Amino acid sequence: GAGVSQSPRYKVTKRGQDVTLRCDPISSHATLYWYQQALGQGPEFLTYFNYEAQPDKSGLPSDRFSAERPEGSISTLTIQRTEQRDSAMYRCASSPSLGQDTGELFFGEGSRLTVL
Amino acid sequence: SQQGEEDPQALSIQEGENATMNCSYKTSINNLQWYRQNSGRGLVHLILIRSNEREKHSGRLRVTLDTSKKSSSLLITASRAADTASYFCATDAPGANSKLTFGKGITLSVRP
Repeated sequence: GAGVSQSPRYKVTKRGQDVTLRCDPISSHATLYWYQQALGQGPEFLTYFNYEAQPDKSGLPSDRFSAERPEGSISTLTIQRTEQRDSAMYRCASSPSLGQDTGELFFGEGSRLTVL
Repeated sequence: SQQGEEDPQALSIQEGENATMNCSYKTSINNLQWYRQNSGRGLVHLILIRSNEREKHSGRLRVTLDTSKKSSSLLITASRAADTASYFCATDAPGANSKLTFGKGITLSVRP
């Protein structure tokens, strides 16, 4: 597509519910990232994919968080048994770069999650 | 954890003035990037400077990099009200497995 698309833009859920966020990257981009951004802070790395491989998920806060990119294109981020501290903006970004040198990231508009 | 630290945290200037924002980081880098975030929007890439470069220009933007001091600065010349946004530096460290580490950001307000 023309840009990185994320859905839903806003999600309000009750504590304990599961939530799935979706990211549709730029179609030619090999690498896809998930970041979490709290209000007034910079984005914090969660995980990334090279096509369907997930080389680094060290930023996922707990085992309640998981991400997939089964066909190397669209990705989902799932948070199970949500807690209030999971409330944040979740940002997806894609990049054409592969390998050691990280180039420009193209960000989506984000999904704002509020856990009540 | 956040590797980059921007300075100042907030900056308010008059339209037409220059804005200088600084970023310091802790480890060696492959490159350093600056991003802009308008309120409620996604981050937009502004400029990338590699570790073997000292200065780079793009339109009204000028970025410098001093690897000996582990610092970078972003200069916006002849600022406009539309430059009002948050600005983040992000570093790509060797062996960091293709991930960018962002700072906390600088809030720039340009008064018309």
